[in-house]
Formats: sequence, C-alpha cells, structure tokens
Amino acid sequence: KQEVTQIPAALSVPEGENLVLNCSFTDSAIYNLQWFRQDPGKGLTSLLLIQSSQREQTSGRLNASLDKSSGRSTLYIAASQPGDSATYLCAVRDDYKLSFGAGTTVTVRA
Amino acid sequence: GAVVSQHPSWVICKSGTSVKIECRSLDFQATTMFWYRQFPKQSLMLMATSNEGSKATYEQGVEKDKFLINHASLTLSTLTVTSAHPEDSSFYICSALGARAEAFFGQGTRLTVV
Repeated sequence: KQEVTQIPAALSVPEGENLVLNCSFTDSAIYNLQWFRQDPGKGLTSLLLIQSSQREQTSGRLNASLDKSSGRSTLYIAASQPGDSATYLCAVRDDYKLSFGAGTTVTVRA
Repeated sequence: GAVVSQHPSWVICKSGTSVKIECRSLDFQATTMFWYRQFPKQSLMLMATSNEGSKATYEQGVEKDKFLINHASLTLSTLTVTSAHPEDSSFYICSALGARAEAFFGQGTRLTVV
C-alpha cells in the first residue's frame, strides 16, 4: 500500500522568503504525482502535474521536482506572498488511485 | 485547467433524510470520477470510484447502501447520502480525470446533519 508523507506539517515564513515543501512516497512504481493547494473549506486546486518520466515541472513561481527512484518530490515556491497561505497536498497516482499526504499548512506573514 | 463543478457547496439536512450531491465536468468528458470525504484537519479519504455506465467501486469500510453513486453520463456523477445521520456530517469532494490522468477537483460540499 502506498504511503505518502509530507514534511513539515506546518510552516510559517515572512513574505518574500522561498518555500520548500517535501513529499515522500514508499512505492516508486507511480504513474504521476500532483501538487495541490487547498484553502480552508474549499476544494483542491491542481498546481503541478509531473509524469513518472519527468524530473520537474514549473509554473510561474512554482517548481516541483520528482526523484522517483528515491520516492521524493519537492515543491518550491519562490518569493512567497501572503496569498500563498494555504494547505499544500502532494498526491501520487499508481494505477488509477490517488494517495494523498496529510499536507503542509503554510502561513506567509506580511 | 479543466473545470469540475460540485453542487451544492453546503447543505443542512435533518437526520433520516437523504441528500444528493452533484459533480459535473464542465469542459471535458470524464469516464471516471472519484468521491472523497475529508474530516477536519485531515487529508482526503477515497470513498468510491464512479465509472460511467457501470456500478461504482467502493473502498473497504464504505457502505454502498448508504452512499449511493450514479454516473449516468460522461459529465455527471451524483452521490446520494441516504438516511443521513449526524456522523455523516463531513466535507465531501469529487474529482474527475482529465487529459494525462490529471485529477481535477470540485469545490466540495459541506454536509451538516442535524
């Protein structure tokens, strides 16, 4: 059974600082990996999708890397803003199911 | 990205009644949709996988007679919580698979059973 772990569970940084969020998974036979953002009481917004054959994806200030062999992914958010405050979830897909981490709750202080 | 619309965003119902939640893929066809439940400050728990034109596949421990899922078209899946009780109060979220097996999620439905 796939186990997904996210570290740290919570993070508080001053505005402008870069964020580094970590995700690890136990079974490297994945189809793809997604990073999501969830605001309180809302659904999930897809941020980045990395296919198993890729090593990274970038969108604006966001960059995600994938090291399938070691079972790790890292989400980098450059020059954080208060609007980046949210919970970030990592999810891996093997076959058709998504397995989620517990998330990292980020607070960016103005 | 693709859009998944979920309705209603919140609902309050009396104990013993049934509630239907709709999940629509607005700009793409989804042969497979998923229903999740999320408890406060916890991650998502997969309840069932909904396939268009066939019976849903439920995860272990999920009562299929309580949580009825119908996926009658390529753009609509519904979750009906039957004979709801206070312990069914939760946040329910649906998702659909788009191109490249990317998952897109609805806005979620906050169900409160009183």
